[in-house]
Amino acid sequence: NAGVTQTPKFRILKIGQSMTLQCTQDMNHNYMYWYRQDPGMGLKLIYYSVGAGITDKGEVPNGYNVSRSTTEDFPLRLELAAPSQTSVYFCASTPSVGAFFGQGTRLTVV
Amino acid sequence: RKEVEQDPGPFNVPEGATVAFNCTYSNSASQSFFWYRQDCRKEPKLLMSVYSSGNEDGRFTAQLNRASQYISLLIRDSKLSDSATYLCVALYGNKLVFGAGTILRVKS
Repeated sequence: NAGVTQTPKFRILKIGQSMTLQCTQDMNHNYMYWYRQDPGMGLKLIYYSVGAGITDKGEVPNGYNVSRSTTEDFPLRLELAAPSQTSVYFCASTPSVGAFFGQGTRLTVV
Repeated sequence: RKEVEQDPGPFNVPEGATVAFNCTYSNSASQSFFWYRQDCRKEPKLLMSVYSSGNEDGRFTAQLNRASQYISLLIRDSKLSDSATYLCVALYGNKLVFGAGTILRVKS
């Protein structure tokens, strides 16, 4: 009963490095989302997807890229990491209502 | 103006108290609304959907007023375990938009 799985759980990056945050769901949901949450703040939408092959920008897409080649996977790519990208990243999926979240990836850029 | 606005709190209440949270949204085209709960350093979890007719789940009651673009959550008989951040969420098109959250602290 995996639900939404995110890897890694923690990561420290140096400025300028790149990485991919992985997100997989086994519920056959069409809708998937990436959010970031800074300390003491709400969730901000980075990118979202309504199905395989379709992605759209959210509120804060700069510095990130996504792809959706399958229904199950929705990876988030950080190119040229910056300290401003230090945050907790949550992936979510939903069939239509009631999103299910992964446990998050805590990323620190130093 | 933020799309979804909440009073950040914190609300400090004794066990057994009744507490109400409010939320306003700016986009009248929003189709659906939800309340989520988030514990410290954990992922958000769906608490309940919100309907115009009002809906209740045990000690929790949610209400939507479309005319005023206002959503509420009422918690009765507060428990220590209710301490968390409560997030108001609106669905705009295909996007789930979160409020910044309201902190609840229930004390014995």
